[in-house]
Amino acid sequence: AQSVTQLGSHVSVSEGALVLLRCNYSSSVPPYLFWYVQYPNQGLQLLLKYTTGATLVKGINGFEAEFKKSETSFHLTKPSAHMSDAAEYFCAVTKGNAGNMLTFGGGTRLMVKP
Amino acid sequence: DAMVIQNPRYQVTQFGKPVTLSCSQTLNHNVMYWYQQKSSQAPKLLFHYYDKDFNNEADTPDNFQSRRPNTSFCFLDIRSPGLGDAAMYLCATSRAGASNQPQHFGDGTRLSIL
Repeated sequence: AQSVTQLGSHVSVSEGALVLLRCNYSSSVPPYLFWYVQYPNQGLQLLLKYTTGATLVKGINGFEAEFKKSETSFHLTKPSAHMSDAAEYFCAVTKGNAGNMLTFGGGTRLMVKP
Repeated sequence: DAMVIQNPRYQVTQFGKPVTLSCSQTLNHNVMYWYQQKSSQAPKLLFHYYDKDFNNEADTPDNFQSRRPNTSFCFLDIRSPGLGDAAMYLCATSRAGASNQPQHFGDGTRLSIL
């Protein structure tokens, strides 16, 4: 069975500071990993994904994530936070060869202080 | 742009009064999903359609039903809404057999129960 753990349900940073949102997964098969962002009263928007190949993945809005198999992690980072980054972030995993069913982490609410 | 559209964005119904939420897609994806999302929680999968094949999650209440008359449309019916059914309902789509591809989400319908 797969699982996803996001450490920290709430993260607060100052505008211009580094953003680090943590995600650890467990999977018995090579996973495909996704980060989604959800703004208030909206659906989930894909930020980035890791499938195969380069382990450092760049996404939209200046975000990137690095797949580290040895640490079973897929942490999301952004060098400099912007007020518009305030949102809920979800890490998710699918099984490598068994369809698109997503297993979500519990989510992290990012707050950005001026 | 190809997209997933949910109507209405906000729905208010009375306790026990049936309600239908709709989802349409222009992506021509053969898998459609319905999720329930409560405040500060990750989306919870209710069921999904693989083409016309309906797949219910084991813990989805019988009060929730779904219809998919064609590839483009999918409906969520709540037969007798209770106060606990107040939530955001998200529709998503994906291509079957491509687990490295993300799910595409609509903007959701926020359901309130009076």
